[in-house]
Formats: sequence, structure tokens, C-alpha cells
Amino acid sequence: EAQVTQNPRYLITVTGKKLTVTCSQNMNHEYMSWYRQDPGLGLRQIYYSMNVEVTDKGDVPEGYKVSRKEKRNFPLILESPSPNQTSLYFCASSFGSGIYNEQFFGPGTRLTVL
Amino acid sequence: GEDVEQSLFLSVREGDSSVINCTYTDSSSTYLYWYKQEPGAGLQLLTYIFSNMDMKQDQRLTVLLNKKDKHLSLRIADTQTGDSAIYFCAEKCRSGNTGKLIFGQGTTLQVKP
Repeated sequence: EAQVTQNPRYLITVTGKKLTVTCSQNMNHEYMSWYRQDPGLGLRQIYYSMNVEVTDKGDVPEGYKVSRKEKRNFPLILESPSPNQTSLYFCASSFGSGIYNEQFFGPGTRLTVL
Repeated sequence: GEDVEQSLFLSVREGDSSVINCTYTDSSSTYLYWYKQEPGAGLQLLTYIFSNMDMKQDQRLTVLLNKKDKHLSLRIADTQTGDSAIYFCAEKCRSGNTGKLIFGQGTTLQVKP
């Protein structure tokens, strides 16, 4: 089944404790992206990747890192999480970045930073 | 820059039609999307329309696009309790080739039995 998977689905952590949220897709997509969803703000893009070893900042990259060592995986790293990073995170992927490419979303990761 | 705006809440009775509205600012050709998010779930693509179209119908869903006013609407006919969810309007950002989707704030649809 074609899908985007994220792990963990739920995470409660404390300020400053490094964490990684994994994202994997099995559709051989070149483009992957991370969004965060906050009430009243919709979804905002954190980072995106056009292909392996090619990543770039989105609208809200502060406090986050990503890597793209393999085509299928695009982990989101929070080196020193803070409470303002409490949010719902979505990973998405598509064949390309152009307007004709539908993005497929993962199920989301709900992160709470105490 | 590009911006997408939605009203935050809509309540309807089961069997009525729901109309969720959205306005956008990008004037270039693009795709406009409607996503549904059920409680505790991810985003499900419902339908999309290219900006050179006026209308698209898919079973109970009708998308209307007013290009002059940059206004997009999603009509759900015969709304059911299973349609209760958050609905996001989004447009594909054309500038910078970032692949970014620009989302509205989301409209929570409450369907009363």
C-alpha cells in the first residue's frame, strides 16, 4: 500500500531533550516536506527536500533540522526542544515540487514539550 | 506573498448542504485543494481544481472558483455526521519552486443529527 508513515504518533518530552521524528514513504517520491499545524494557523512548512542530500528551509525552520540521506526517509530533528514546538507535525511527499504533483500526507505526530 | 483565509467554524444539520468558503491571494495559475482532517487523523485530499476552471463536481462535492474575487468554495450536499471534520483550503505556491502548499486556518464543520 502506497503510504507515508511517521513515528512516533504521539510524544511527550521535556525541554532540551533531543528527539527525532521519522518519516518514510514507499512511493519513490523525490520531494518531501515537513509541516506543523497549530490552532488557528493552519499548516506551515518547516523544511523541504527536493531529492537526496538536497534540503532547504520553509517558513518556520527555527529550532529544527532535517536530513535526506536516502530517498525514502526524511527525519525531523529537534536538537533542543522548547515548549513553543508543541504542535502537530505532518510529513508529506510527492513526485516533484511542481504544481501538478499531489502531495501525500502522513498521519501526523503530536508532540508535547513540557 | 501568498495568503489563504477561511472562516473557522460552520455548523449545519444532517441532510442540509454545507458551504465552506476560502479566499486566496496568488494571482498566477495554480492548483487549489480541499483537504479533510478527521479527529486524530492525517490530511485526506478531497478534491482539487486548477485555477483556469470555474467548477468541479465529484459526487456530493462541488467546488466553485471565482477567479475575479479569488474566492473558492466547497459545497457538500446532503451533509452527514461522518462529514464532521476540519476542512483545509490550500493553494500550491508557485514562487521559488518550493513545492509548498499554503493552507488556510481550517474550517471546523459540525454536523448536528
